[in-house]
Amino acid sequence: DADVTQTPRNRITKTGKRIMLECSQTKGHDRMYWYRQDPGLGLRLIYYSFDVKDINKGEISDGYSVSRQAQAKFSLSLESAIPNQTALYFCATSDAGLDTGELFFGEGSRLTVL
Amino acid sequence: GQNIDQPTEMTATEGAIVQINCTYQTSGFNGLFWYQQHAGEAPTFLSYNVLDGLEEKGRFSSFLSRSKGYSYLLLKELQMKDSASYLCAVTNSNYQLIWGAGTKLIIKP
Repeated sequence: DADVTQTPRNRITKTGKRIMLECSQTKGHDRMYWYRQDPGLGLRLIYYSFDVKDINKGEISDGYSVSRQAQAKFSLSLESAIPNQTALYFCATSDAGLDTGELFFGEGSRLTVL
Repeated sequence: GQNIDQPTEMTATEGAIVQINCTYQTSGFNGLFWYQQHAGEAPTFLSYNVLDGLEEKGRFSSFLSRSKGYSYLLLKELQMKDSASYLCAVTNSNYQLIWGAGTKLIIKP
């Protein structure tokens, strides 16, 4: 079983719908992240959390919100999905933080907004 | 602005050696990562450089020159399974991780 699990793996939805992507991890890491990946662009950070009750905006947080329900769970919500949010979304965890620690990624959630 | 530049695509032959370059302009530097990403899969960690020089790990090596804002990933004895995208990422002075768009490596028999 994967150490970082994302659900759903694929989702097609319509403009205006609310969508939640969930992430759970068994690595025991405190730090969790949500990224999106678009063709021809680098990974872009949406939100990150260094502990339960700690939420920080990344470079592209507009249109997204997150919830850190427990150390092992970090969910990403799109309150009202729009087509330019069509992308591959990755959850990641780390032990030592952004500066020295490697990231462990989930398998990705492919979201299509029509 | 901050950016990471790496070639979009490279082609190499099975059994050969390939070097993937990465240049960066960031506000400060606190380390450089290389990740491998097979199509449709998650990125996986390959290497981390924070000091100048070469880090070797089996068939893969990564080099860093901080004064030149330059790194490369060297893959030896290429195998078909090395066909993937290779992502360069730099941690800046604010400990933000800046990602390149990745280099798609195609291995031909």
